[in-house]
Amino acid sequence: DTAVSQTPKYLVTQMGNDKSIKCEQNLGHDTMYWYKQDSKKFLKIMFSYNNKELIINETVPNRFSPKSPDKAHLNLHINSLELGDSAVYFCASSPGTSGTRPHYEQYFGPGTRLTVT
Amino acid sequence: KNEVEQSPQNLTAQEGEFITINCSYSVGISALHWLQQHPGGGIVSLFMLSSGKKKHGRLIATINIQEKHSSLHITASHPRDSAVYICAGSYNTDKLIFGTGTRLQVFP
Repeated sequence: DTAVSQTPKYLVTQMGNDKSIKCEQNLGHDTMYWYKQDSKKFLKIMFSYNNKELIINETVPNRFSPKSPDKAHLNLHINSLELGDSAVYFCASSPGTSGTRPHYEQYFGPGTRLTVT
Repeated sequence: KNEVEQSPQNLTAQEGEFITINCSYSVGISALHWLQQHPGGGIVSLFMLSSGKKKHGRLIATINIQEKHSSLHITASHPRDSAVYICAGSYNTDKLIFGTGTRLQVFP
């Protein structure tokens, strides 16, 4: 009964390839996120979607394109992979966003370790 | 200066010790999250607080809004508490700004 799941767990690929990471949550949450954790273990937000609508888009190269087919899924597609894209990518979800209660705990997926060679 | 700063970066303790990890944050951050990342890599949310104090088992989180400071305390530490503890702040949105993490090792 995994709450937030990601596939694949590990992804090894060559520079220049295109790859996707999938995320699904079964918590009924409205908001989903993508985070990148670099080699120094520092976490940074990339994107956030609320009910399939993009609400946060940090300074991320446009080679990264998130897609949310429904509010339970948020996928991350990466074109023309570069060495610097090697990192662990975490998906997360939370019950809601903004409005009268902007703050919710976030529930994280297990992460996808991407290695670009 | 980072919007969220943690100290110490590394912490070692003997089993049973009382542990404190500190987090300072910038003006405008209205909620503070404490997360735990285990050696296996998974991240778990421990607390989210915007005022006062929260307790869950041996873990206690406090926040002082005037001083823009939060602490995570672990009482009667145990080797299974060994992990990276991360504080993160959020402004009036869901966007989390992360600290650099504190690596805790508790030895038997």
